[in-house]
Amino acid sequence: DIQMTQSPSSLSASVGDRVTITCRASQGIGNYLAWFQQKPGKAPKSLIYGTSSLQSGVPSKFSGSGSGTDFTLTISSLQPEDFATYYCQQYNSYPPTFGQGTKLEIK
Amino acid sequence: QVQLVESGGGLVRPGGSLRLSCAASGFTFSDYYMSWIRQAPEKGLEWLSYISGSSGHTPYADSVKGRFTISRDNAKNSLFLQMNSLRDEDTAVYYCARVGTAAAAGIIDYWGQGTLVTVSA
Repeated sequence: DIQMTQSPSSLSASVGDRVTITCRASQGIGNYLAWFQQKPGKAPKSLIYGTSSLQSGVPSKFSGSGSGTDFTLTISSLQPEDFATYYCQQYNSYPPTFGQGTKLEIK
Repeated sequence: QVQLVESGGGLVRPGGSLRLSCAASGFTFSDYYMSWIRQAPEKGLEWLSYISGSSGHTPYADSVKGRFTISRDNAKNSLFLQMNSLRDEDTAVYYCARVGTAAAAGIIDYWGQGTLVTVSA
């Protein structure tokens, strides 16, 4: 199975900050990388697919980049509603696998 | 709008069975792969299984292979997960998710709200 490793595991930031979360795959996955946002007690929400394509309705403050094994999610101008846990996921090969999550907290 | 509503969760003893359902609306159900994904308490996300629109393709995670069966009824816009031989470690919130058309297979775009399964004596 492909292992997905996110860093950092947790991150403190302030409203208005720009933050970057990294996701590394244990082997190459092309651009078959997605990002999800999850708030406490809620279902995940799909943000990005294909490394950098935004899902419908997702604001452009979210952006993704990378290829092969190293990927990033960048969130610009943090707002209170952005504080959540973020997961990456590869869907290049079975089984699809998720990163362990990055918890973004308010400083 | 796309809606996915899971049901069927609850408390079950180890070794028991449970059948989860997911009612889909707002899209042409038969056009899409569908998936079950779970999340144990305070843990991350674990993919369990996919099913193609025609039900011809149903891979499983090793953790549930031989115990869980995914199925669908396109006439009723419904997705199912039959869970047998349940173990303590199957305790989790179970989500159904829309995965995309054959051309975009693998891309999860919508999630249900989840249903909690608790396996305990």
